[in-house]
Amino acid sequence: DGGITQSPKYLFRKEGQNVTLSCEQNLNHDAMYWYRQDPGQGLRLIYYSQIVNDFQKGDIAEGYSVSREKKESFPLTVTSAQKNPTAFYLCASRPSGRANTEAFFGQGTRLTVV
Amino acid sequence: AQKITQTQPGMFVQEKEAVTLDCTYDTSDQSYGLFWYKQPSSGEMIFLIYQGSYDEQNATEGRYSLNFQKARKSANLVISASQLGDSAMYFCAMRGGGADGLTFGKGTHLIIQP
Repeated sequence: DGGITQSPKYLFRKEGQNVTLSCEQNLNHDAMYWYRQDPGQGLRLIYYSQIVNDFQKGDIAEGYSVSREKKESFPLTVTSAQKNPTAFYLCASRPSGRANTEAFFGQGTRLTVV
Repeated sequence: AQKITQTQPGMFVQEKEAVTLDCTYDTSDQSYGLFWYKQPSSGEMIFLIYQGSYDEQNATEGRYSLNFQKARKSANLVISASQLGDSAMYFCAMRGGGADGLTFGKGTHLIIQP
């Protein structure tokens, strides 16, 4: 079945370490997104990519980095520069070029700094 | 800048009753899209319904309908004949102008009581 796969589901990180969250989609979507969700809050956009080898900062990009070497994959690295990385991270994708298409989301990765 | 406001942090509704979840938005764009997502306790985001700013009729999808009042900048979600499985967080979101990502509200926690 087509969909978006995020891994791992739960991730624990020590302070000062970088960690990479995986996001893979087989929907043949051009655009991919990373969102962060804090408890009791809505989602906030970290980074997005509309095409391979190109990506743009979202509203809260500081302390994060991404790459888009393949259409199917959009990994997110949470660096040691991110002051408060404990959160729920959601990856999404959609066909680009049409404003009325909904984004499809993965199951999310819950990151905890210990 | 775009902003979504959901003024109901939580709602309790009896099973089989209709429920209205409020959403107001702020944007200077003429062309934009409004989305509603459901987030069960498992965390994934499930797309429910879409309304475009130029759509003259309110959107409907099964038991979901959108009460779109453009002049008041509101896009309330109506769920008819609520079911126990409707218990979840509900998020209103918008995509507007040249922005590619979604701007989310803080959500409403809906609990359906038997």
